[in-house]
Amino acid sequence: DTGVSQDPRHKITKRGQNVTFRCDPISEHNRLYWYRQTLGQGPEFLTYFQNEAQLEKSRLLSDRFSAERPKGSFSTLEIQRTEQGDSAMYLCASSRTSGGATNEQFFGPGTRLTVL
Amino acid sequence: AQSVAQPEDQVNVAEGNPLTVKCTYSVSGNPYLFWYVQYPNRGLQFLLKYITGDNLVKGSYGFEAEFNKSQTSFHLKKPSALVSDSALYFCAVRAPGSNYQLIWGAGTKLIIKP
Repeated sequence: DTGVSQDPRHKITKRGQNVTFRCDPISEHNRLYWYRQTLGQGPEFLTYFQNEAQLEKSRLLSDRFSAERPKGSFSTLEIQRTEQGDSAMYLCASSRTSGGATNEQFFGPGTRLTVL
Repeated sequence: AQSVAQPEDQVNVAEGNPLTVKCTYSVSGNPYLFWYVQYPNRGLQFLLKYITGDNLVKGSYGFEAEFNKSQTSFHLKKPSALVSDSALYFCAVRAPGSNYQLIWGAGTKLIIKP
């Protein structure tokens, strides 16, 4: 198990630019989650995939945010027309299918986004 | 609405002393409860979980947590703290039958002093 990886680890962008983050889950994990974490807060759920199907999206995920998992393996999170309020740590996690909701999630190191 | 509260922003403990990090929750039905730890510049790491059964759950690095249904609490404990336990600790809950997202507390910074 090589763990969940995220790329890039850091991204600095100017307001109005588009950014895309990638997450590679643990290979046998069917479920993949995106969270956003700001300083001093716990993670906030953004969206969830089972295989390639996006099964839930938080109301936090505005129209400027989109996530894909085209082949049920890696996932991308794109933010269009970035705003300073988008500055945060974006976390990806994955979990097994068997055991359902009792399974713990395994997290990647996160991508820290700074919007200037 | 489901929620998790970690009432202490920071907990300071001397090395070798027992530690407790508090967590209370509000959820309908029987919850699934989790503790995670976050070290600087590293991802969240799973420590332990309560699903059902014994109220005392043992996890990684010598940590344990006690589920108390009447007090809706799931406090994290360790009998003897190490300096290396210093980190940010998060409690999370998922209600059975809900979707798969976790609801998280705001985190507690644990500082272990030598």
